[in-house]
Amino acid sequence: SQQGEEDPQALSIQEGENATMNCSYKTSINNLQWYRQNSGRGLVHLILIRSNEREKHSGRLRVTLDTSKKSSSLLITASRAADTASYFCATRRDENTGFQKLVFGTGTRLLVSP
Amino acid sequence: DSGVTQTPKHLITATGQRVTLRCSPRSGDLSVYWYQQSLDQGLQFLIQYYNGEERAKGNILERFSAQQFPDLHSELNLSSLELGDSALYFCASSPGQGADEQFFGPGTRLTVL
Repeated sequence: SQQGEEDPQALSIQEGENATMNCSYKTSINNLQWYRQNSGRGLVHLILIRSNEREKHSGRLRVTLDTSKKSSSLLITASRAADTASYFCATRRDENTGFQKLVFGTGTRLLVSP
Repeated sequence: DSGVTQTPKHLITATGQRVTLRCSPRSGDLSVYWYQQSLDQGLQFLIQYYNGEERAKGNILERFSAQQFPDLHSELNLSSLELGDSALYFCASSPGQGADEQFFGPGTRLTVL
């Protein structure tokens, strides 16, 4: 079962526009990560935000985290056609066995048209 | 390129058969994770190995098994295959046991006919 639900499921925008994707989760977390997946390929880690952080930037990416609402958002500014991919949030949950489990959301498919 | 390699890239087989998927982690990474990605179930964690030992199990069926060898490469064995096992199987690696960043391989696409 998946912890994260992403919204929207699909997003279509023009190059130069901003893209915002949201992730909601159910249980307490240690950190939240965002990954990108190009069609049929492996996932690529984009950014990690810890539970005590509220906002983080990396290049054209901005991630926010609201632990009280159990939600996060990923903003991609000035999008490019190369940003076309699926984006997944993943939450790290630390189990009492010591295992650090990474649970992936359902993903948002982003299409950026030239 | 993540540094994680997986073979084969594609695999087509029949129901009831057995296949082995292979993964080589990034140099120096001790943890290997296996995931299954299908359209209806999304990305599901199957199993983790750390330095040759099984560390955690997720939604892995009894028909599936895995191991990590002394050279740290890992194999995922799928047996008595069913149509529903058709999916992308990813291997990921990380330096330690933590889950702060995982490096994914390109995946093996399994089609069961």
